[in-house]
Amino acid sequence: AQSVAQPEDQVNVAEGNPLTVKCTYSVSGNPYLFWYVQYPNRGLQFLLKYITGDNLVKGSYGFEAEFNKSQTSFHLKKPSALVSDSALYFCAVRDPNAGNNRKLIWGLGTSLAVNP
Amino acid sequence: SQTIHQWPATLVQPVGSPLSLECTVEGTSNPNLYWYRQAAGRGLQLLFYSVGIGQISSEVPQNLSASRPQDRQFILSSKKLLLSDSGFYLCAWKTGGGTEAFFGQGTRLTVV
Repeated sequence: AQSVAQPEDQVNVAEGNPLTVKCTYSVSGNPYLFWYVQYPNRGLQFLLKYITGDNLVKGSYGFEAEFNKSQTSFHLKKPSALVSDSALYFCAVRDPNAGNNRKLIWGLGTSLAVNP
Repeated sequence: SQTIHQWPATLVQPVGSPLSLECTVEGTSNPNLYWYRQAAGRGLQLLFYSVGIGQISSEVPQNLSASRPQDRQFILSSKKLLLSDSGFYLCAWKTGGGTEAFFGQGTRLTVV
């Protein structure tokens, strides 16, 4: 079955330190992978995606993510965290071969807290 | 540019009352449209999606229904709300051939 796992409910990091939010997936074939961020009581904002090509993708607000096919992972990273990065982060995957449906499969989210 | 509007932002409704949440998209044609519910500020549950006018797919049997009366309008409804319908409802869209989806600002529904 297709699934997305975000193994950490919460990640705490000090401002200025690098951050990593983990995501692993289980999808057959070559998946499309996404990261979204959600601030309190707001909708989700698209951060970045991997479709094909370079395994390291860069997105909004200085975030990047690395696609690792052998480990079926798509971890979100940022070299230097800001307090304003504190939010809820969602990983999602789509199986491009799933026909007209092609729904996004969502992780349960990871709450990132950046401490000043 | 494309924009998505979702309203109201917050809503408090008594048990047994009807519900109508509206979502509209501007700047694009024939988008795929989605209704999600987010419970307890965490995981997203896909409720309905639509690939065209009048075409609604339901993901989870429940007390809610959806309609798409116009190309860029997606409505979430209920005839009689339950306490368990409380949550944060998100509308989203993407182009038919696109990859990422874009979300509205959400509606916080509290059923009392």
